Amino acid sequence: RKEVEQDPGPFNVPEGATVAFNCTYSNSASQSFFWYRQDCRKEPKLLMSVYSSGNEDGRFTAQLNRASQYISLLIRDSKLSDSATYLCVVNIGGNYQLIWGAGTKLIIKP
Amino acid sequence: DAGITQSPRHKVTETGTPVTLRCHQTENHRYMYWYRQDPGHGLRLIHYSYGVKDTDKGEVSDGYSVSRSKTEDFLLTLESATSSQTSVYFCATSGQGSEQFFGPGTRLTVL
Repeated sequence: RKEVEQDPGPFNVPEGATVAFNCTYSNSASQSFFWYRQDCRKEPKLLMSVYSSGNEDGRFTAQLNRASQYISLLIRDSKLSDSATYLCVVNIGGNYQLIWGAGTKLIIKP
Repeated sequence: DAGITQSPRHKVTETGTPVTLRCHQTENHRYMYWYRQDPGHGLRLIHYSYGVKDTDKGEVSDGYSVSRSKTEDFLLTLESATSSQTSVYFCATSGQGSEQFFGPGTRLTVL
């Protein structure tokens, strides 16, 4: 079993729709969690950290469920510019111990 | 975003040749990382550095070495490139927190 698992997609979603991704992790000692966005042939960029109480940044909402060991990302009112691959990242301890999911590809269609 | 540059951005080389990739940062971040990214895999850590001359191995370190002689520079060397090392290589840095910031990547093809 991979340490961090994501549905690779692609998710094909019409513009304006709401889309949600889940990511599961295997290490119960995981300490912090992130969502990154990666555009085609570009570097990953931090989208948002995921806090225990859940957090929102504009159209994006992240949730953490420690009991079931998953995190989620919800995108409301999706835009064409949201098309990208979304990477789930888990920190299992220390600055270097980030475990990366393989990503979920999202395609927003007009 | 952190000021992180990588050079070269693209490289084609032949099996058995040595290759050095450079990462340069202007953010004075303590931690620096080298990853490779391949289809179907998450980013995989090759080596990381927690200070000048302080480095350690990551998940996929075989065939790679690193050096960090200055805070701002982190070099990745493939001693004798193999076709399995064809990949996209990303450098990243982090400061106090565990959030990492990435350079633009180097596309390496080993023929």
